[in-house]
Amino acid sequence: NAGVTQTPKFRVLKTGQSMTLLCAQDMNHEYMYWYRQDPGMGLRLIHYSVGEGTTAKGEVPDGYNVSRLKKQNFLLGLESAAPSQTSVYFCASSYRDVNSPLHFGNGTRLTVT
Amino acid sequence: QLLEQSPQFLSIQEGENLTVYCNSSSVFSSLQWYRQEPGEGPVLLIALYKAGELTSNGRLTAQFGITRKDSFLNISASIPSDVGIYFCAGQGLDKSGAQKLVFGQGTRLTINP
Repeated sequence: NAGVTQTPKFRVLKTGQSMTLLCAQDMNHEYMYWYRQDPGMGLRLIHYSVGEGTTAKGEVPDGYNVSRLKKQNFLLGLESAAPSQTSVYFCASSYRDVNSPLHFGNGTRLTVT
Repeated sequence: QLLEQSPQFLSIQEGENLTVYCNSSSVFSSLQWYRQEPGEGPVLLIALYKAGELTSNGRLTAQFGITRKDSFLNISASIPSDVGIYFCAGQGLDKSGAQKLVFGQGTRLTINP
């Protein structure tokens, strides 16, 4: 039971560098999400997707882009990393809509220096 | 939409009971409680869908307020494996009218032997 798998687990970037975080789910879920977690801030939604080929902005989308070319994968890109993007990033998926429970990956810890 | 959790930090003795509260000025159609253990993603504990609903899951009990603006999570006879961060998450409409899941800022629980 893989569930939701995120790669990489850790990454250090210099300001201005780019990278892509990969999320893969094997539960045939329609909805996928990217959150960031910062101390005392809870989980804030960056972008989400309600199905293959669709994406939408969440609460804090600036500086990030996403793609959902395949139903099982959801990619989060940082084109030009900034120190403010230092955070732990979580991918999640759900069966049908936000009333359905979210299944989270184990996170990617990103540090931007 | 804003979900306020209290307390933000909770330190108790093993065997004690505890309650975490979640409040908002907004109405939610559903409310979920998650626990996050160190180094992992949040995991669903209890989901509430009906106003006034009281649901139990082993030593955990949660209730959705009559007004759908608040909830509590109670854990009885705490054990060391209960440590972690507890989040409430409510589903409602954002400014654009889209349904979104909003997370509280979390309650960090530590248990002393």
